[in-house]
Amino acid sequence: AQSVTQLGSHVSVSEGALVLLRCNYSSSVPPYLFWYVQYPNQGLQLLLKYTSAATLVKGINDFEAEFKKSETSFHLTKPSAHMSDAAEYFCAVSENTGFQKLVFGTGTRLLVSP
Amino acid sequence: SAVISQKPSRDICQRGTSLTIQCQVDSQVTMMFWYRQQPGQSLTLIATANQGSEATYESGFVIDKFPISRPNLTFSTLTVSNMSPEDSSIYLCSVNLGGGSGELFFGEGSRLTVL
Repeated sequence: AQSVTQLGSHVSVSEGALVLLRCNYSSSVPPYLFWYVQYPNQGLQLLLKYTSAATLVKGINDFEAEFKKSETSFHLTKPSAHMSDAAEYFCAVSENTGFQKLVFGTGTRLLVSP
Repeated sequence: SAVISQKPSRDICQRGTSLTIQCQVDSQVTMMFWYRQQPGQSLTLIATANQGSEATYESGFVIDKFPISRPNLTFSTLTVSNMSPEDSSIYLCSVNLGGGSGELFFGEGSRLTVL
């Protein structure tokens, strides 16, 4: 069975600082990995995805994530936080067959202070 | 991408009643998924709905409590039956567009409060 662990339910950064949200996965087969963002009272929006191509994946709003098989990690980073980045971030994993369900992590709330 | 519309966007319901949530997609999709997001928590898959077949439920979810319909390739409903306050959640419809990408597109969710 697949699973995702997100370290830190809350992460606080100052505006302009580096954002690092951690995600580790467990999968018995090569995974697909995703980061989603959820703004208050909204659905989920895909930030980026890893589907066995380049290990460094770039997404929207200057977010990127690096797939590290040896560490079973897929951490999300952004060089400079913006106030509008404050939201809930979810890491998710699925089997790389294209039609499988996603298993989500518990989420990390990003707080950005001026 | 896909545009997914859910109705109602929010509702307040009385204990013991049932509510049906509708999900409309702007393109034909094979697989639709219903997730639940309890307050302050992550998303939990309720069931997978394929057109023309019975929905497949995850452990802890049963058809009597969460009946699902999938009459065509662009529409699905989820009913939350005999509601209790523990059913207060956001219910999200999502779709996989195929093509091997694996990603899901989500509706904005239906926020239910059960009194």
